[in-house]
Order: sequence, then structure tokens, then C-alpha cells
Amino acid sequence: QVQLVQSGAEVKKPGASVKLSCKASGYTFRDYGIYWVRQAPGQGLEWMGWISVYTGNTKYAQGLQGRVMMETDTSTSTAYMELRSLTSDDTAIYFCARDRDVFDVWGQGTMVTVSS
Amino acid sequence: DIQLTQSPSTLSASVGDRVTITCRASQNIETWLAWYQQKPGKAPKLLIYKASTLESGVPLRFSGSGSGAEFTLTISSLQPDDFATYYCQQYESYSPVTFGQGTKVEI
Repeated sequence: QVQLVQSGAEVKKPGASVKLSCKASGYTFRDYGIYWVRQAPGQGLEWMGWISVYTGNTKYAQGLQGRVMMETDTSTSTAYMELRSLTSDDTAIYFCARDRDVFDVWGQGTMVTVSS
Repeated sequence: DIQLTQSPSTLSASVGDRVTITCRASQNIETWLAWYQQKPGKAPKLLIYKASTLESGVPLRFSGSGSGAEFTLTISSLQPDDFATYYCQQYESYSPVTFGQGTKVEI
């Protein structure tokens, strides 16, 4: 079945970077883009950006420009999201989702905790 | 950016109730609107896209309507499994995609 499986929880210190993975299966990876969305504790959903697996083109949320990078590895059907210069405000669950214009398949989420 | 405002923020209801959630957009988004259900500790689940198209496998008690700037999600007869938080999302503009703030449906 179509699924996205994300990497495990991370604990990082302020100022560090984190790189999360999202492995796709059950469909042709190149045929769909990947979104990244995060959710701070008790808060709503925040769109972080999007990558076209086919072209590598990216769009990032304005507030994350310069700190976020998204990439894919088509040989392993895996998408990656790296976030740099972490602060406590980046503590959240990070989700990847398949782009069918809407978010039709989601990963299980990765908890990232930023704490000194 | 296109802003989405959901109302109410919290809704108290009982099993069997008809429930309606509203999502208002800050500008015309035609029918480029989706609805998601999220349960605690889980990823959101797509319910409806293109304002009124039911995603495969979603129960028929869920329906969506609206166009332009005002949209509704209706649950015709609330079931125990439906107690969750619901989000609308616009995709008229992909930069950025935006979500409503969520509506929690509780007992």
C-alpha cells in the first residue's frame, strides 16, 4: 500500500541542525511531489514547503527561507528536510505528505525537540 | 497570503448530532479547498478535496460544500470515531499553502 515512513524522534540543542527523512513506498516516487508540514505542541498545522521529486524544484515558507532545505533521493525513494539554526520555536512534530495537489498520504510524523 | 478562518474553534456535540464547521477565506479561492481530520498523536487524514469531493474510503456522512470564500464541512450523524480536530486547507495558492486554525469536535 502507499505509505510514507519517517525517521525517528530527535533531540537537538539550540543552534544545531536536524535532517529528517521520509521514505516512500507503494507508488512511483517521481510522479508526486512531497510537502513538509509541522505542528508545534497543541498548535495547528504549518506548511513548511514543497519539493518536486521530478525536477527538484522547491518552494519554502517565507519564514523559513535560508534555514530550510528539501531534497530527494530517487534511488531510495526518500525525501529529506534539513532545518538549521534550531531554536525552541522549532520544537514540533514534522510531517511529510504526498502532493496530489492536496496532502493525500501522510507520514507518521517525527518529533523534534529543541532544548538546552 | 490567503488566510483561512474556521468557526467555531471548539464544538461540543453528541453522537447522532448533525455538525457543521465553517471555513472562510480572505479571498476567492474558487473550490480549491480541502478538509482534514486529525486525532491526537496522529497525522491528519484527507476527507474532502475540491470543496466537495469525498476522498476514497471516507464515510458518506461527511460532506463538503461552498465556493469562493465560504465553505462548510458537515457530518450528518456524528459517530464516536468522529471526535477529532478538523482543518481546512486552501490550495488556490501554493506559495504558501495555508490551513485554518482547526475546529475541535468534543463531547
